[in-house]
Amino acid sequence: LAKITQPISMDSYEGQEVNITCSHNNIATNDYITWYQQFPSQGPRFIIQGYKTKVTNEVASLFIPADRKSSTLSLPRVSLSDTAVYYCLVRTSRTGFQKLVFGTGTRLLVSP
Amino acid sequence: EAGVTQFPSHSVIEKGQTVTLRCDPISGHDNLYWYRRVMGKEIKFLLHFVKESKQDESGMPNNRFLAERTGGTYSTLKVQPAELEDSGVYFCASSYDRGGSGNTIYFGEGSWLTVV
Repeated sequence: LAKITQPISMDSYEGQEVNITCSHNNIATNDYITWYQQFPSQGPRFIIQGYKTKVTNEVASLFIPADRKSSTLSLPRVSLSDTAVYYCLVRTSRTGFQKLVFGTGTRLLVSP
Repeated sequence: EAGVTQFPSHSVIEKGQTVTLRCDPISGHDNLYWYRRVMGKEIKFLLHFVKESKQDESGMPNNRFLAERTGGTYSTLKVQPAELEDSGVYFCASSYDRGGSGNTIYFGEGSWLTVV
């Protein structure tokens, strides 16, 4: 299984762009990269998923280089409510089988 | 639409006792997963049901843990007898399809277990 490392914590200010990079050196060919957000006393909530290059949705962008050994979650113009733990995950999927491998999580603190 | 619901949200039991955690997945989701985070560790996979069948239980730590999903609807995770190291938060999750990458996995709020 992929070993996933990410920074323990990051600080930012309202309105700034935040980029969180994750390393997943052992990612397999069929694995996808997924990011989840977690607030205290809540379950992880899906943010974005990608396989390669760039994926963008209404809340974030995900950048994945060609070798797929790392990925970067980009949060544009963060607000105080974006203070949370962000998990980088590798998702292994094949017919009838799915598993998420969680990273250690990055605690993002957004200040006024 | 209701999300993944878990019960109880918090539980405090003594070492050696039994606890049963329940998970109700999102209606129509064949896939149901259990994950947990124990103190100071990452969130880790326990097992995966497809309907009522255990597809993958490679993450179950030992035979004190028993998961069931009778009828392919809700699931229970029983810990018997509970040990101190079982303290942590147990997450249930569910998803729709049996494979592929496009289906989102939704998590419940977690059941927080403290063994004293």
